[in-house]
Amino acid sequence: EVQLVESGGGLVQPGRSLRLSCATSGFTFADYTMSWFRQAPGEGLEWVGSIRTLAYGGTAEYAASVKGRFTISRDDSKSIAYLQMNSLKTEDTAVYYCSRGGYSFEFWGQGTRVTVSS
Amino acid sequence: QSALTQPPSASGSPGQSVTISCTGTSSDVGGYNYVSWYQHHPDKAPKLVIYEVTKRPSGVPDRFSGSKSGNTASLTVSGLQAEDEADYYCSSYAGDSVGVFGGGTKLTVL
Repeated sequence: EVQLVESGGGLVQPGRSLRLSCATSGFTFADYTMSWFRQAPGEGLEWVGSIRTLAYGGTAEYAASVKGRFTISRDDSKSIAYLQMNSLKTEDTAVYYCSRGGYSFEFWGQGTRVTVSS
Repeated sequence: QSALTQPPSASGSPGQSVTISCTGTSSDVGGYNYVSWYQHHPDKAPKLVIYEVTKRPSGVPDRFSGSKSGNTASLTVSGLQAEDEADYYCSSYAGDSVGVFGGGTKLTVL
């Protein structure tokens, strides 16, 4: 059974950093692009970014709203994807989801809540 | 601004059909048969309802169907039911192992 579990969310002050993790099981992690999404309160789902497999260079793409502040990485030995969030802003407050895939997202985690507030 | 354009809202009465559009370019929707659709209820994980333009994952009712013409893909929900009320998003492959995402459509069952 494919499972994705996000962790690392919480309350953080503006300007600070937070790292989210997406622990996976039930599939060969190294074979899949992994993606992050978020949903701010009262807003729609927003794609945050995706990281390719090492076979495709392991590079990442980001939404304009987070580019330069967020970094996605992966540890294929642990089957975990990470979302490093720096210089957090109040508008980054959202539930963050990870998903398997880069353009078709069949499996999703349940999300982890991030609140950016002083 | 999202890469794929969806109408912000759509609505229909129970039993009716509603179609949601998703417009991209020849570099994404028009260039590949890899359009997917997702149903998202608040505070729940999104659910894949259509992949590869027309295919339904196991467990998704055949009331959900997908199609594509040129740079525009469409999701049709037939025989609307109350539980279909949700936000719907489209995505498409855009080359180089990643894709693009739509801004979402709020479907209201009247």
